[in-house]
Amino acid sequence: DAGVIQSPRHEVTEMGQEVTLRCKPISGHNSLFWYRQTMMRGLELLIYFNNNVPIDDSGMPEDRFSAKMPNASFSTLKIQPSEPRDSAVYFCASSLRNRWLSGRRSQETQYFGPGTRLLVL
Amino acid sequence: AQSVAQPEDQVNVAEGNPLTVKCTYSVSGNPYLFWYVQYPNRGLQFLLKYITGDNLVKGSYGFEAEFNKSQTSFHLKKPSALVSDSALYFCAVRVTAAGNKLTFGGGTRVLVKP
Repeated sequence: DAGVIQSPRHEVTEMGQEVTLRCKPISGHNSLFWYRQTMMRGLELLIYFNNNVPIDDSGMPEDRFSAKMPNASFSTLKIQPSEPRDSAVYFCASSLRNRWLSGRRSQETQYFGPGTRLLVL
Repeated sequence: AQSVAQPEDQVNVAEGNPLTVKCTYSVSGNPYLFWYVQYPNRGLQFLLKYITGDNLVKGSYGFEAEFNKSQTSFHLKKPSALVSDSALYFCAVRVTAAGNKLTFGGGTRVLVKP
């Protein structure tokens, strides 16, 4: 399995530009998570999806951020317009949410992609 | 609300010595606890998890963790540290009532010296 795939791996852009980060979850996984990691704030959950539906977007910083999951194998995180304070590493993670597995509630493990390092100048 | 605390920003240990990375949690309900490791310029890698059953959980790369309900702790341990264990370690907790969100601790940087 290729694992979670993120693109681009690095992005340098100027303030005000639109940035789109992409994620392909592990095949068969039905939950997808977007995180942001900075030195100051650590690892923050931005939004997560179950079965392509956004469940909790309370971590999205503001209206400049938006995320979509048009199908089970693809998600985007968009920042428009970007600002220098958006500079961070953005991680995508996926998991298999299977409520009942062999008679027990499954406790899915999240698997992370390599991240996109974003620098907004 | 659920929360996780990793009280040490950094842990230094000599190669071959035991390694312990501390984690305490606060939840209302039964916790599911996880440890992840992050190497430089890489994503987080899953090490181990506690769901139910034996309090001592064994994971990847010789790591183990002990769930202590009375002390609300889930410390990560390795009997003999390697230089290659130098990385950033994250503890995380999940409670089913909170959906499948993970709450992460602030991370502990481990430095293993030869």
